[in-house]
Formats: sequence, structure tokens, C-alpha cells
Amino acid sequence: EDKVVQSPLSLVVHEGDTVTLNCSYEVTNFRSLLWYKQEKKAPTFLFMLTSSGIEKKSGRLSSILDKKELFSILNITATQTGDSAVYLCAYIIQGAQKLVFGQGTRLTINP
Amino acid sequence: EPEVTQTPSHQVTQMGQEVILRCVPISNHLYFYWYRQILGQKVEFLVSFYNNEISEKSEIFDDQFSVERPDGSNFTLKIRSTKLEDSAMYFCASGEGATGNQPQHFGDGTRLSIL
Repeated sequence: EDKVVQSPLSLVVHEGDTVTLNCSYEVTNFRSLLWYKQEKKAPTFLFMLTSSGIEKKSGRLSSILDKKELFSILNITATQTGDSAVYLCAYIIQGAQKLVFGQGTRLTINP
Repeated sequence: EPEVTQTPSHQVTQMGQEVILRCVPISNHLYFYWYRQILGQKVEFLVSFYNNEISEKSEIFDDQFSVERPDGSNFTLKIRSTKLEDSAMYFCASGEGATGNQPQHFGDGTRLSIL
């Protein structure tokens, strides 16, 4: 059965720290993996990863996919209190329309 | 920046009543989706819609659920006879291209409370 597991489930760090969030998957006919940030309401799109080993960056955030070891990481450097959120990863399988979400990592940045 | 808008933000309904949740997707998007998130649980896929028909649906999306794009801008989710377990946050999403080619962008959600 296809599954996606995020770790850790919860993380508390101080402002300025660097964090690494993990998303492991076991998926037949994998197509892509996406990262979203969920604050109070809407999941906000961060990255979409389809190819292995190619880092995607947006400001202090970056992400990479390893299709051999079946995981992705999301890095956030120089964290700020505004980075506090639940970070969701989701996979898509070939030919499907739906995103299948993990349970999320709750990140808290303390000043 | 264009965004997906959902109304109402909160809906309270008696069990057994019909409810319609409304969404205005991003204007040039062609693919539309509904997801739900029960409090404390994962975001779950309900249905995808393209070219005026359902392209995929989950087991949750039974005969009590329906979707419609009644005009060029709105996308609605109807629950015919609500149950207590339908209480959840319902998210609408839209995409410029097919899932796998383009990301889905989510609205702020409608919190549905069934009494």
C-alpha cells in the first residue's frame, strides 16, 4: 500500500536556527512530490519535485528529492518566527489527479 | 497574486440538511479539486474536475456528494444530507495544468460544522 511519512511530527527551534524536515514515501508509479506550508488556513505551495538530485530554492527554503532512497527534505535556513507552520508533503502517482498528503511536521520558531 | 477564494468561511448546519460550499478558482486554471481535513487529521482528497466532468474521486465522495461548475467562475461542492462526520475543513484547489505537471493552489477553506 502506498504511504508517505513525515518526520519529525513536531519541532521547536530558536530563531536563526537551520531546520531539516523529512518526507519518506513508498509509492508505486511515483510521479512527483510537493511541499506545502499550512499556517492557519490554506496550504501554500512551496515546491514541486519530479527529478532526483535537483535542488529547488526559494529564498531561505530549499528542497531536494532522492528517488533512489525514496525521500525528500525541506531545509529552512536562518529561521524566523514567520516560518512557524505545519509543513506538508504530498505525492502524486502517474496518471492520477489527486495529491496524497502526509501527516505534516509542526514547526515552531521561538524568538 | 491571484488566489482561490472560498465562501462561506464557516458554515454551521443541522444534521440531515443540504449544504453548498462555493469556490472561485484562479481565473486561467482548468483543473479543480476538493479536499477535506478533519480536525487533527491529514488533508484528504475528495474529487477532481476537468472539462466539466469528474476525472477522479475518492471513496469518501459517495452519492451524498456532488460537484458542479454552474458558470465560468464558480465551482461548488454539495453535500445532500449532512452527517456529523462531515464536520471538517473543506479546501478547494485549482491548477493551471494537470496534476503532476502543475501544482495545485488552495483556498482558505470553509469550516463546516454539523450539529
